[in-house]
Amino acid sequence: NAGVTQTPKFRVLKTGQSMTLLCAQDMNHEYMYWYRQDPGMGLRLIHYSVGEGTTAKGEVPDGYNVSRLKKQNFLLGLESAAPSQTSVYFCASTRQGNTEAFFGQGTRLTVV
Amino acid sequence: QKEVEQDPGPLSVPEGAIVSLNCTYSNSAFQYFMWYRQYSRKGPELLMYTYSSGNKEDGRFTAQVDKSSKYISLFIRDSQPSDSATYLCAIGDYKLSFGAGTTVTVRA
Repeated sequence: NAGVTQTPKFRVLKTGQSMTLLCAQDMNHEYMYWYRQDPGMGLRLIHYSVGEGTTAKGEVPDGYNVSRLKKQNFLLGLESAAPSQTSVYFCASTRQGNTEAFFGQGTRLTVV
Repeated sequence: QKEVEQDPGPLSVPEGAIVSLNCTYSNSAFQYFMWYRQYSRKGPELLMYTYSSGNKEDGRFTAQVDKSSKYISLFIRDSQPSDSATYLCAIGDYKLSFGAGTTVTVRA
């Protein structure tokens, strides 16, 4: 049972480039989330999804887009990367809203 | 004002000491309170989960929630070097608000 898997684990982008981060969960969870973690800031919610085909904005959504075409996958896109998006990105899933969140191992993104 | 405030530390204690961590929050509607542990370069993992006020104990770990003061605590008894990690409080419902995390080092 893999749990929550994030791809890629590391990436370096140049300013203005685009990329997609993939999150896959094999626990049949309804809810999925994308967070970013920066020193001293904790985890901040970017976007989330409460089910297949639905997405919603979190605390810091600007510069990001998401899609949940399949229940098990949640994609995070950066259309035009900026140095301010240098961060560690975590995907998480929960069976329902107020239950334990399972996190992936993170994606370390550097934008130069 | 952030929804959840947590002292980022760092906190360094000798092995066997009691570690005390705490968070304050602003939204009195919150009902679910969690503590996550995050080892270096890993994703967070759930450590303790509490609904509403009161205490919950699990082995060496005790979580306390005081809704009247909007204050939650985590105590680690008989701390071990393996407890060295960052501890994040998380509060909310289907959208969790996380504290900044407190980095704890337990010295052997």
